[in-house]
Amino acid sequence: AQRVTQPEKLLSVFKGAPVELKCNYSYSGSPELFWYVQYSRQRLQLLLRHISRESIKGFTADLNKGETSFHLKKPFAQEEDSAMYYCALLRLSGGATNKLIFGTGTLLAVQP
Amino acid sequence: DAGVTQSPTHLIKTRGQQVTLRCSPKSGHDTVSWYQQALGQGPQFIFQYYEEEERQRGNFPDRFSGHQFPNYSSELNVNALLLGDSALYLCASSLVRGTDTQYFGPGTRLTVL
Repeated sequence: AQRVTQPEKLLSVFKGAPVELKCNYSYSGSPELFWYVQYSRQRLQLLLRHISRESIKGFTADLNKGETSFHLKKPFAQEEDSAMYYCALLRLSGGATNKLIFGTGTLLAVQP
Repeated sequence: DAGVTQSPTHLIKTRGQQVTLRCSPKSGHDTVSWYQQALGQGPQFIFQYYEEEERQRGNFPDRFSGHQFPNYSSELNVNALLLGDSALYLCASSLVRGTDTQYFGPGTRLTVL
């Protein structure tokens, strides 16, 4: 069964410290993986997807198929990074249909 | 472009009632997906609509139904509401291409008393 696991409900770091939000997945095919972020009182928005290989707001994520992981990293945390982060797997079902399978999310709290 | 819009923002119902939630997709998008996000959980896929048909369904009972209109907007209907249906309901739109990014609306907060 397809599944996304985010083992940490809360990650608290100090400003300027490195950040790593963990995500592991279970999927039999070639995964399409995403990180979505939800800032306080804002909608869920795409942070990055692995196929674009972009760095958004200083965040990067590398797909490791051997470890079935897609951890989100940032070398120096900023207070404005405080938000809820969701890892998601795109499950293709043939034809044009697809659905996102989300993890339970990790709340990142960056302390001043 | 206002992006994905949803209405209403908040809704309070009592058990047994029926509710309709509405979604307008991002300009140029033709596919709408609905998700339920319970407190402390990630969004759970309910179903997806394309060309006015339900194309895929998650693990939700038949009390949850939907509709897509010719202008690509969509409705989510929930009958015989239960306390456990209290959640944030999210709408996401995308293009029909299977791997296209899904863009989310602000959600409708449903409270069932």
